[in-house]
Amino acid sequence: AQTVTQSQPEMSVQEAETVTLSCTYDTSESNYYLFWYKQPPSRQMILVIRQEAYKQQNATENRFSVNFQKAAKSFSLKISDSQLGDTAMYFCAFMKHETGANSKLTFGKGITLSVRP
Amino acid sequence: DSGVTQTPKHLITATGQRVTLRCSPRSGDLSVYWYQQSLDQGLQFLIQYYNGEERAKGNILERFSAQQFPDLHSELNLSSLELGDSALYFCASSVGPPSYEQYFGPGTRLTVT
Repeated sequence: AQTVTQSQPEMSVQEAETVTLSCTYDTSESNYYLFWYKQPPSRQMILVIRQEAYKQQNATENRFSVNFQKAAKSFSLKISDSQLGDTAMYFCAFMKHETGANSKLTFGKGITLSVRP
Repeated sequence: DSGVTQTPKHLITATGQRVTLRCSPRSGDLSVYWYQQSLDQGLQFLIQYYNGEERAKGNILERFSAQQFPDLHSELNLSSLELGDSALYFCASSVGPPSYEQYFGPGTRLTVT
C-alpha cells in the first residue's frame, strides 16, 4: 500500500514571497504519478500540478513548480509570488500506474496555507 | 468549473436513514471515483467505476453502495446512516488511459443528526 505524508499542518507566507510545501511518500511501485491539489474555502478540489515518475524534469505551471526527488521519495511544491488567492488547503496525492484504466488517488492529510497581505 | 456535477449540494438527514448522492462526470469521461472527506479520516477513496463496471474498492462500508449507469452518471447510496457518516463526499471523473488526471465535482455535504 502507498502512503503519503505531509508533516507540516500549517504554513504562512507574506504576499509576493515564495513558499515551499513538503510531501513524502512511500511506495514499492516504479511507475506512478504525483499531484498537488488545492482546496480553497469553497471546498472545491482543484488540480494544481502533476508529475510523472518516469520524467526527471520537474513540472512547472506558471507560479507553481515541484521538486521531485524520486530516490528520496519527496515531492515538494513551490509557490512563487504568493497571492491572496493561494490561501487554501493543499493536498499531495499519489496514483500508481495501472494498465487499462486510471487508478485511485491516495492523499496526504493536507497543509493549510495562509497568505498574509 | 471542472465539468463534474454533483447533487445535492447539501443534505441533512437523521440517523438510520438512507440517502442517494448523484454525480455526472465530464463529457467523455468513462471513470467515476467517489471520495469521502472527513475531519478524522481525511480524504479517502471509496469506490471506482469504469464504463459501467466496478473497477476498484477502497474503504467503503458495507452500508454504502454505488453504481454507474449506461449514461455514465453515478449514484452513491448510503444507508443506515450514523453520525460518523457526516462528511463531504466528492465525485471525480477521468477519461481513462492514457490520461491520468482526475477532475473533482463540488462535493455533497452530508450532515447526519
